[in-house]
Amino acid sequence: DTAVSQTPKYLVTQMGNDKSIKCEQNLGHDTMYWYKQDSKKFLKIMFSYNNKELIINETVPNRFSPKSPDKAHLNLHINSLELGDSAVYFCASSPLGGGGNYGYTFGSGTRLTVV
Amino acid sequence: KQEVTQIPAALSVPEGENLVLNCSFTDSAIYNLQWFRQDPGKGLTSLLLIQSSQREQTSGRLNASLDKSSGRSTLYIAASQPGDSATYLCAVQTSGSRLTFGEGTQLTVNP
Repeated sequence: DTAVSQTPKYLVTQMGNDKSIKCEQNLGHDTMYWYKQDSKKFLKIMFSYNNKELIINETVPNRFSPKSPDKAHLNLHINSLELGDSAVYFCASSPLGGGGNYGYTFGSGTRLTVV
Repeated sequence: KQEVTQIPAALSVPEGENLVLNCSFTDSAIYNLQWFRQDPGKGLTSLLLIQSSQREQTSGRLNASLDKSSGRSTLYIAASQPGDSATYLCAVQTSGSRLTFGEGTQLTVNP
């Protein structure tokens, strides 16, 4: 199936741990994103990569480090997890330059719970 | 800074009713506007994409309009069904391929 897939779907971990979320898209898109959805369901962009190059880096703690080994993958590594990091993290992709004629495609999300 | 507002925050209607969800944005310099649907505990499903040069898009029982100059979009759902119950999110694309989301409208369609 053509899609944006992210793993794991659920992640429960203790404060202070380091964890990674993986994302892969097979849509041939050039741009990939990480969005965070907080407890109030508000979605906000964190990072955006074009062909492995970082183009958007919002005001996110530097404990969050995205890594794009190739244009089909964008992983998110989080160091020293804090309670406030608990949220749902969505990966997305789009054609180069944004939605174009086809819009953005989102993954199903990773629900991170820090205890 | 682009801000997107959706009204109402929540809506409950009986099955069969036609309804309108509203979205407004503060900066009219957008590339496109996209409506998404999010079911509880699930990801986002794209419903309709309207380019900045377009006025409306239709898909089945859904019709989305865009008035870029006034910073408004509406999502019209005809003959609502219980399966339409979800949160509907409006998002606008601005420079740098950035998507800015509204906070969503939580729709409940009662049988």
